[in-house]
Amino acid sequence: DGGITQSPKYLFRKEGQNVTLSCEQNLNHDAMYWYRQDPGQGLRLIYYSQIVNDFQKGDIAEGYSVSREKKESFPLTVTSAQKNPTAFYLCATAREQGAYEQYFGPGTRLTVT
Amino acid sequence: AQSVSQHNHHVILSEAASLELGCNYSYGGTVNLFWYVQYPGQHLQLLLKYFSGDPLVKGIKGFEAEFIKSKFSFNLRKPSVQWSDTAEYFCAVNPIYGNNRLAFGKGNQVVVIP
Repeated sequence: DGGITQSPKYLFRKEGQNVTLSCEQNLNHDAMYWYRQDPGQGLRLIYYSQIVNDFQKGDIAEGYSVSREKKESFPLTVTSAQKNPTAFYLCATAREQGAYEQYFGPGTRLTVT
Repeated sequence: AQSVSQHNHHVILSEAASLELGCNYSYGGTVNLFWYVQYPGQHLQLLLKYFSGDPLVKGIKGFEAEFIKSKFSFNLRKPSVQWSDTAEYFCAVNPIYGNNRLAFGKGNQVVVIP
């Protein structure tokens, strides 16, 4: 969706370094989500936020952290504690709590070596 | 555990063939159902959705899906595929108990041979 920006498209890091993935939206959506996509695994929810200054852990939150200081932004930090960080990361938004259709950004492919 | 199942992860078929992708979920209550598609190099986008009403829903590009509550299924169909339908297809379920979280199946990688 053109209203969701994820940068950069490709990101390379050395093992042991923290890295922050950006997600910005201009859709005025309240809810934002981070997913991880691995081949043959589908999308797994890392963290989500339904309003500013609030967020909840998803199914695979270990080794990740987020913040939601602004409605437009929901950055994801992949910490050195994440055992297998190489993956494709997708950010999504939804209009409001209780709205069920999610819109996805273009994704960031993170490679950690 | 609650889950969404998609079988036959890799599907290869010829143009003009019919496509049906199965989706089963294990949630017991009311759900909203979705099919998303990810074309090569493109964003994940919504193909169709079911919230309520007619269990046969039509989406973009000639796709349709049928919700069968008794079977906990939401199968995706297209009568005649084109090469441009080559993509990965994901079924997703949102149980209506307030947390607005989508659970995704593992996806079907569909390759249409010209």
